[in-house]
Amino acid sequence: AQSVTQPDIHITVSEGASLELRCNYSYGATPYLFWYVQSPGQGLQLLLKYFSGDTLVQGIKGFEAEFKRSQSSFNLRKPSVHWSDAAEYFCAVGKTYGGSQGNLIFGKGTKLSVKP
Amino acid sequence: GAGVSQSPSNKVTEKGKDVELRCDPISGHTALYWYRQSLGQGLEFLIYFQGNSAPDKSGLPSDRFSAERTGGSVSTLTIQRTQQEDSAVYLCASSSAGTQPQHFGDGTRLSIL
Repeated sequence: AQSVTQPDIHITVSEGASLELRCNYSYGATPYLFWYVQSPGQGLQLLLKYFSGDTLVQGIKGFEAEFKRSQSSFNLRKPSVHWSDAAEYFCAVGKTYGGSQGNLIFGKGTKLSVKP
Repeated sequence: GAGVSQSPSNKVTEKGKDVELRCDPISGHTALYWYRQSLGQGLEFLIYFQGNSAPDKSGLPSDRFSAERTGGSVSTLTIQRTQQEDSAVYLCASSSAGTQPQHFGDGTRLSIL
């Protein structure tokens, strides 16, 4: 069965420090991969996506992620964290139906706190 | 509006009552999804509509849950005879055809007393 694992429930980093959030997936075919961010009381905002091609993808707010097929990973990175990045981050894999995207399967999320 | 709109934003009801949650997708988006977010279970898929095809209902947790999408646009998620374990945030998302990503609304927070 398809699944997504985010091993870190909560991470705290200092403002200005670098960040890496881990994500591992289990999926039989080539996955569609996503990172979303959720602030309290808000819906999910798409940070970036991977469908095919270049394995290093750039997203909004200075985030990037790298798809590593051999490790079944899609880790999210940011070189310098800002206080406004404090939120919960969700990795997701999209089920596919004949080349079209079906529903998303989400990890449990990683809550990011930022120290001043 | 430009985004996915959900109403109401908050709903409090008594156990055993029926509730209806509404989702207005982004104009022109053919795919519409419902998810449930709860503390214990995280984000769970409920149901998926794609154009005029039969919906994928594989995520609905019981027959008390149903959803419809009228005219390929607005969708309503109905929960009958609500139980306390139905308390959660219900999120709706929409996407255009193919591989385009899903855009989420802000959700409806449902509380069952």
